[in-house]
Amino acid sequence: ILNVEQSPQSLHVQEGDSTNFTCSFPSSNFYALHWYRWETAKSPEALFVMTLNGDEKKKGRISATLNTKEGYSYLYIKGSQPEDSATYLCAFRAGNQFYFGTGTSLTVIP
Amino acid sequence: DGGITQSPKYLFRKEGQNVTLSCEQNLNHDAMYWYRQDPGQGLRLIYYSQIVNDFQKGDIAEGYSVSREKKESFPLTVTSAQKNPTAFYLCASSPGTGELGQPQHFGDGTRLSIL
Repeated sequence: ILNVEQSPQSLHVQEGDSTNFTCSFPSSNFYALHWYRWETAKSPEALFVMTLNGDEKKKGRISATLNTKEGYSYLYIKGSQPEDSATYLCAFRAGNQFYFGTGTSLTVIP
Repeated sequence: DGGITQSPKYLFRKEGQNVTLSCEQNLNHDAMYWYRQDPGQGLRLIYYSQIVNDFQKGDIAEGYSVSREKKESFPLTVTSAQKNPTAFYLCASSPGTGELGQPQHFGDGTRLSIL
């Protein structure tokens, strides 16, 4: 079983603050790195799929970077809004299997 | 509206009973997956299927069984051999395991509890 770690475990920020989370994964046998957003009582929703070292992806105020050589990815949220409150999951793909971190729970305080 | 449907949302099982969780998708995806979530842990892969009539064990397959007779359906049976079945179960699908740039799509999950 491969180890995927996310930090911090939880985060409370004020509306308008920018924030970032980390996903650490093995630096070998890399196929892809996924980021998902999971709101309470809903299903996880895909944010980004990153496959190449140095990848940077952006969707609105959310962006992500990838370093496969050192085994980490950062997710950034600029100007957090209350609707950004959710758990953010990363998943490391090795072959046909996916290994998920425990997630970062973000609460944005109005 | 395309998506993944899991049923039921909540399920209760008596000790020693087998129970089957349903997962149906209308996304025309080839690959389907079953995950289990326990408190404080990440999603863990139980089984996955890349194509009809084929499936592979994940990291925690013991005490579970699956079938993939139709592309749209990937039911999971929790058998009496699974000693700690109380958990939240998520089903997912993706276009194909060979398509690295495609995300997984998830259902809403089934919460299984032992009576």
